[in-house]
Amino acid sequence: SQQGEEDPQALSIQEGENATMNCSYKTSINNLQWYRQNSGRGLVHLILIRSNEREKHSGRLRVTLDTSKKSSSLLITASRAADTASYFCATDASYGGSQGNLIFGKGTKLSVKP
Amino acid sequence: DGGITQSPKYLFRKEGQNVTLSCEQNLNHDAMYWYRQDPGQGLRLIYYSQIVNDFQKGDIAEGYSVSREKKESFPLTVTSAQKNPTAFYLCASSYSATIHNQPQHFGDGTRLSIL
Repeated sequence: SQQGEEDPQALSIQEGENATMNCSYKTSINNLQWYRQNSGRGLVHLILIRSNEREKHSGRLRVTLDTSKKSSSLLITASRAADTASYFCATDASYGGSQGNLIFGKGTKLSVKP
Repeated sequence: DGGITQSPKYLFRKEGQNVTLSCEQNLNHDAMYWYRQDPGQGLRLIYYSQIVNDFQKGDIAEGYSVSREKKESFPLTVTSAQKNPTAFYLCASSYSATIHNQPQHFGDGTRLSIL
């Protein structure tokens, strides 16, 4: 079951521009996480935002969370060619008592042209 | 350096053959996970383990089996019952399965193809 849905599916921008990706989900959450995946590699955790937080920053990343709309956005400022990757949102889920399980969306493929 | 090691990077399976994907972590994490990723898709949970000698089915466990005899190791066997095994397989771990708000740490995956 996939709860998070990213939008857009693909995004192409020039170096130096900002990139915004959105994630919508269906049920209540404890936290929402964003991950990055370079082609052919594993996922790398970027940032976690708790349900009682509205905004969080980490370097050039800014994440917002609107629990009333069940949505989140990831903003990458002053993008670089090295930011080219797929970006996934993940929400927590409860499987048989496990608090650590995550449900991943299908991702946004970001291409940053030099 | 602490991390998760998956091997092999590429694996080929013949008809009727079982194959085992290795996943080892030295992060001292209790929880481990196996995901399957198909092209252009998100990750789907195959199996997870909250602690040694325990594991639970995820969304798509049919045709797969796992074991968790050691904290560091969580191998995944793709059996001949899995009719469409071609995919990218990712292993992950997290500190604890009983606490919310934790990131998962991923290996670099194994790409499985059918011969």
